[in-house]
Amino acid sequence: AQSVTQLGSHVSVSEGALVLLRCNYSSSVPPYLFWYVQYPNQGLQLLLKYTTGATLVKGINGFEAEFKKSETSFHLTKPSAHMSDAAEYFCAVSDLSGNTGKLIFGQGTTLQVKP
Amino acid sequence: KAGVTQTPRYLIKTRGQQVTLSCSPISGHRSVSWYQQTPGQGLQFLFEYFSETQRNKGNFPGRFSGRQFSNSRSEMNVSTLELGDSALYLCASSQTGSRGSQYFGPGTRLLVL
Repeated sequence: AQSVTQLGSHVSVSEGALVLLRCNYSSSVPPYLFWYVQYPNQGLQLLLKYTTGATLVKGINGFEAEFKKSETSFHLTKPSAHMSDAAEYFCAVSDLSGNTGKLIFGQGTTLQVKP
Repeated sequence: KAGVTQTPRYLIKTRGQQVTLSCSPISGHRSVSWYQQTPGQGLQFLFEYFSETQRNKGNFPGRFSGRQFSNSRSEMNVSTLELGDSALYLCASSQTGSRGSQYFGPGTRLLVL
C-alpha cells in the first residue's frame, strides 16, 4: 500500500530564504506524486505533479520538486520565499489499486514566512 | 473554465440530523472524489464517482454515501450526524480520475453541535 510522510509539521523561513519541504513516499510501483497548497479557508490548489519522465518538475509560483527514486523522496523547494507563500502544503501519492482517482495525502506542513 | 464549486460553503447541524453536500465539477470532468479534512486525521478519502458509478470507497461508515448525476455533478450525504463528523468536506474533479490531476473545490465546512 502506498503512504506519504511529510517531515516537519511546521517550517519557518525568512522572506527571501530557501524553502524546503520534505516528502517521502512508500510505493511498490512507480508512483504518481503531487504537491498541493492550501490557503486558510480555501480548498487545495495543485502546485505540481510527477508522473513519468523528467525527475525535476516545475510548478506554479516558482516551486519545483525532484523525484528521487533511490531516496523515495519528492521534496518541494523554492529558491526565495515570499510572504504570500505562507500556507499549508500537502504531498500526495496516487493510489494504485485499480483505475481510480484516490489520492493518499501526507499530514501536511505549515509554512511560516517571517518578514 | 469555471472551477469546482461546492455548496453550501458553511453548514451547522445538530447530532442526529442528516446533511447533503453538493459538488459541481469542472466542465468535461467525469470523475468526482470526496475527501474529509480534520485537524486530527488530516485528509481522508471518502469515495470517488465516475460516470455515475462509485469506483472506489474509503474506510468510512455506511452513514456516508454519495451519488453522481448524468451531468457529473455529485452529492454526498451523511445521515445521523455525530460530533466527529465536523470537518471540511472537499470535492475534487478530474477528467478520468485515473491518477490524473485532481482539482479541488473550496470545500464545505460542516459543524455538528
